[in-house]
Amino acid sequence: GENVEQHPSTLSVQEGDSAVIKCTYSDSASNYFPWYKQELGKGPQLIIDIRSNVGEKKDQRIAVTLNKTAKHFSLHITETQPEDSAVYFCAASGGGSQGNLIFGKGTKLSVKP
Amino acid sequence: KAGVTQTPRYLIKTRGQQVTLSCSPISGHRSVSWYQQTPGQGLQFLFEYFSETQRNKGNFPGRFSGRQFSNSRSEMNVSTLELGDSALYLCASRLWGQGDETQYFGPGTRLLVL
Repeated sequence: GENVEQHPSTLSVQEGDSAVIKCTYSDSASNYFPWYKQELGKGPQLIIDIRSNVGEKKDQRIAVTLNKTAKHFSLHITETQPEDSAVYFCAASGGGSQGNLIFGKGTKLSVKP
Repeated sequence: KAGVTQTPRYLIKTRGQQVTLSCSPISGHRSVSWYQQTPGQGLQFLFEYFSETQRNKGNFPGRFSGRQFSNSRSEMNVSTLELGDSALYLCASRLWGQGDETQYFGPGTRLLVL
């Protein structure tokens, strides 16, 4: 089955710096890769997603890149702000089904003012 | 549009009991997926329901079951609770087959088994 590895597990940056989180997946049938942000006491919230027919997607300060050949995808956050502090999860659609997401273990991002 | 709602938000049970959790999807969403979140195992897929039928199932024992009603609301049940079932249970809804397949998560039900 699908397996998703996520690095690093913790990341601390200064406000205004960039943050990069990387994930690898194992199942070449996976075709949908969302990123979620989870704040304390809340459910995960989608911040950006990418499908396998696209190599890069950007939404304001957030971008995601996908390398299908190497089976890895990355989240890039530029000009980080203290409110970006949270746990970020990458995921891949298990067996090509978007209702079955396989998640990475999460990255705790801390942005210091 | 209201988001995904889950009830109850918190629950305390003892070993051996059973529990039922409820999820109401976003209006118009017909698919509901359930996930278990623990510090050790992270977010793990339990099952997905669409049109009152289980469509996908994760690697959990048969003590974990679910169902979906005609209005797309879903319930999950855990029987013979074990200490290791203590977790945040999240449900997520999506449209199913209409282009935007994004899963939207609810706030979760935090279950503590004593």
